[in-house]
Amino acid sequence: NAGVTQTPKFQVLKTGQSMTLQCAQDMNHEYMSWYRQDPGMGLRLIHYSVGAGITDQGEVPNGYNVSRSTTEDFPLRLLSAAPSQTSVYFCASRGLAGDKYEQYFGPGTRLTVT
Amino acid sequence: DQQVKQNSPSLSVQEGRISILNCDYTNSMFDYFLWYKKYPAEGPTFLISISSIKDKNEDGRFTVFLNKSAKHLSLHIVPSQPGDSAVYFCAASRNNDMRFGAGTRLTVKP
Repeated sequence: NAGVTQTPKFQVLKTGQSMTLQCAQDMNHEYMSWYRQDPGMGLRLIHYSVGAGITDQGEVPNGYNVSRSTTEDFPLRLLSAAPSQTSVYFCASRGLAGDKYEQYFGPGTRLTVT
Repeated sequence: DQQVKQNSPSLSVQEGRISILNCDYTNSMFDYFLWYKKYPAEGPTFLISISSIKDKNEDGRFTVFLNKSAKHLSLHIVPSQPGDSAVYFCAASRNNDMRFGAGTRLTVKP
């Protein structure tokens, strides 16, 4: 199993450009999520999904869109990039059975907006 | 507002000694708590967790303690090893919402 994969690893955007960060998992997990990590802030939840066709907002959703058309994929879209979106982005997934909340994280995408 | 706080940005301990990492939370509705470990240029990896109905959970060298009345949890690593050097995040969860602390960088010196 590859686990959770993210592409690209690095990206530089100009202000106003759009792009999609890709995330895929091969563990058949229902729950998938996106976080951003900024210095001194820890990881903050952007959006999450509990299954195909179902998405919801997290703590910091503004400026980001998501969709979940399959169990495996959960892309994150930046419609008009801003310097404040410079961050490291992590995708994560977990199963929904039982009462455990451990998530598996991808390796991250480092995004710089100039 | 930061609902999960790790007030020590860094901690340095000698190999073989105990490492104690602390975490405080403000929302009493959190019902599951986790610790993650992160190396540079990698995603966080799950370390240990505890349900709010327990006050202690142990897994090898790692023990997590939960004090619900104080809204405080801690991670004990005994004995500490140089390979434990990493950033440690605590997290608190309720339903599908998980909040993370800012992290504590642990350095274990040989």
